[in-house]
Order: sequence, then C-alpha cells, then structure tokens
Amino acid sequence: KAGVTQTPRYLIKTRGQQVTLSCSPISGHRSVSWYQQTPGQGLQFLFEYFSETQRNKGNFPGRFSGRQFSNSRSEMNVSTLELGDSALYLCASRTEPGGQETQYFGPGTRLLVL
Amino acid sequence: AQSVTQLDSHVSVSEGTPVLLRCNYSSSYSPSLFWYVQHPNKGLQLLLKYTSAATLVKGINGFEAEFKKSETSFHLTKPSAHMSDAAEYFCVVSAPSGSARQLTFGSGTQLTVLP
Repeated sequence: KAGVTQTPRYLIKTRGQQVTLSCSPISGHRSVSWYQQTPGQGLQFLFEYFSETQRNKGNFPGRFSGRQFSNSRSEMNVSTLELGDSALYLCASRTEPGGQETQYFGPGTRLLVL
Repeated sequence: AQSVTQLDSHVSVSEGTPVLLRCNYSSSYSPSLFWYVQHPNKGLQLLLKYTSAATLVKGINGFEAEFKKSETSFHLTKPSAHMSDAAEYFCVVSAPSGSARQLTFGSGTQLTVLP
C-alpha cells in the first residue's frame, strides 16, 4: 500500500498570503489529522477530519482551516500568513478517529513565510 | 487532560552501547502510548505502541519499551545503538477527546550516536 502523501513538499510564501496544503491518506483510511511542527512549540495538533466532518480541533486561530473530500483526501488552508506560521506541516491518517489504531504520517510540507 | 514529558532533550551514546530514552505521561484515562522516530527532513515513523496488552512492547529495529503504570513511565530502550539510530524520538500519548482520540506529543529527544 502506498503511504500518506503530501503536496507540495516545500513552499515559500510572503506575509499576508494564503496557502493550501494537500494530503492523500493511505487507501482505506478515512480519518486525516493535521499537525504543525516548529522548533519552539514542537508538534501541535491542528484538527482531524473523518467522513468529511471535522471531529476534533486543536488550539489554533481561525486562520487555520481544513476540509475533507469524499475520497478522504484532505486540504488545509492558512490565510493571512504570519512569519510564525513557518513550520513543517504533517498529515496523518488512520482508519477512524476512535479506537487505538495507529496514525501513519506523511513526509510533511515545509512552509517558509518571508 | 493528558501530557507527556520527555526527560532528556538530547542523549548521546557510543555505537554499540545501550540506549535509554525516558518518557513520563499523565492521562485521566487508560492511555495508548507510542514512540515515533523522525529522521532529518522526514515524517514520523512508528517504532512501537502500547494499547493495554503486554506491558513490554517490542518494536522495529530492536527497540522496546516497558509500560509502568505505577511510575507513569514508558521508557524506550535498545541494547546496542547503531549509527542509523541517530534521529529525533517522540513519545506520544493517545486518549479520548470528544468522539476521537487525540495524540499529545512530547517535546522530543535528539539521539546522537558517536562512532
């Protein structure tokens, strides 16, 4: 099975712009989660989607949003970019939000905001 | 609420010597616990997980971890370090949050393996 894929792998944007990141989960996985990783704050949970519905949300401002499509692919959007949004954004998939099954991570999208 | 504390931000060992990466957790519920590894410029790879079965969990690449409820610990060990083990390691707790189970990550331990 193919793993979790994320596109693009690298992005450079300027302050005030917006950005959309994409994540394709492992085939058969219907839950997709997003995380932000920075040197200062570490790995922080953004949100999780299942069956096109947001099931859980971390403590991030409304500039961060996401959605999930009927094929389980997910996108996250960050509007009005700030310098502090520079980070590695990781996507993870699993079969469903509950239970104890493992989340499998993609390679990440590295975003640099200038 | 749940939290994870990785007690060492950096650990340095010589190749062929044992590895110990320490993790303490706090959770209001019976947690699931994981160790993930992240190599430079890569995503996270699962090393092993504990889900209330055997308290000694064996993972990939010779790593294992022991769940100790009385000590709220889940330390990661390996008998003999290899150069390829150099990476950042994350201890993760998973506990219920609404209708889902949310992951909370430790701050990471950078493992250096010296020749």
